[in-house]
Amino acid sequence: AQSVTQLGSHVSVSEGALVLLRCNYSSSVPPYLFWYVQYPNQGLQLLLKYTSAATLVKGINGFEAEFKKSETSFHLTKPSAHMSDAAEYFCAVSAVSGGFKTIFGAGTRLFVKA
Amino acid sequence: SQTIHQWPATLVQPVGSPLSLECTVEGTSNPNLYWYRQAAGRGLQLLFYSVGIGQISSEVPQNLSASRPQDRQFILSSKKLLLSDSGFYLCAWSGSSGANVLTFGAGSRLTVL
Repeated sequence: AQSVTQLGSHVSVSEGALVLLRCNYSSSVPPYLFWYVQYPNQGLQLLLKYTSAATLVKGINGFEAEFKKSETSFHLTKPSAHMSDAAEYFCAVSAVSGGFKTIFGAGTRLFVKA
Repeated sequence: SQTIHQWPATLVQPVGSPLSLECTVEGTSNPNLYWYRQAAGRGLQLLFYSVGIGQISSEVPQNLSASRPQDRQFILSSKKLLLSDSGFYLCAWSGSSGANVLTFGAGSRLTVL
């Protein structure tokens, strides 16, 4: 079984500051890991995914995440926040073994201050 | 390219009334289809998924049901809505192989009064 824990339901940063959104996962089999972003009243969009290739994954809009098996973590970072990054971010896990279910974390809302 | 359509976008229904939300996918064949519900501050809860016509797996016992009458059509229904059914419902699809990347519809906001 898989599970995801996102630390911090709300994160606030200043424009231009580092963005760090934390995600820890639990999986009994090798995982696929994802970050999705949701803007208000919209569906989710894929930011990036880890599929057992490179442990540092680059995504859209300057975001990246690093898979750390020893820490069971997949934290999302961006060197310099932009106002347009304000949204809700979801970490998710599914199983490499072919399961069809993707399990989502509770989400972290990112606020960007001018 | 593939697109996913979900409707209606918003819905206000009285308690005890029926529900039908529809989702269709274009540009792909034999997709895996999903219904998620998003409640405020609680992330996404998987309700149903389907790997083929007529094949529905339910994740959470409740008064909702799902059907897949055609390959690229997924319907979420209820015979009698409860107040607790209020939420933001998201349909999604993924390919039948690979990393299970989900592509989401724009969502349907249901308010039960």
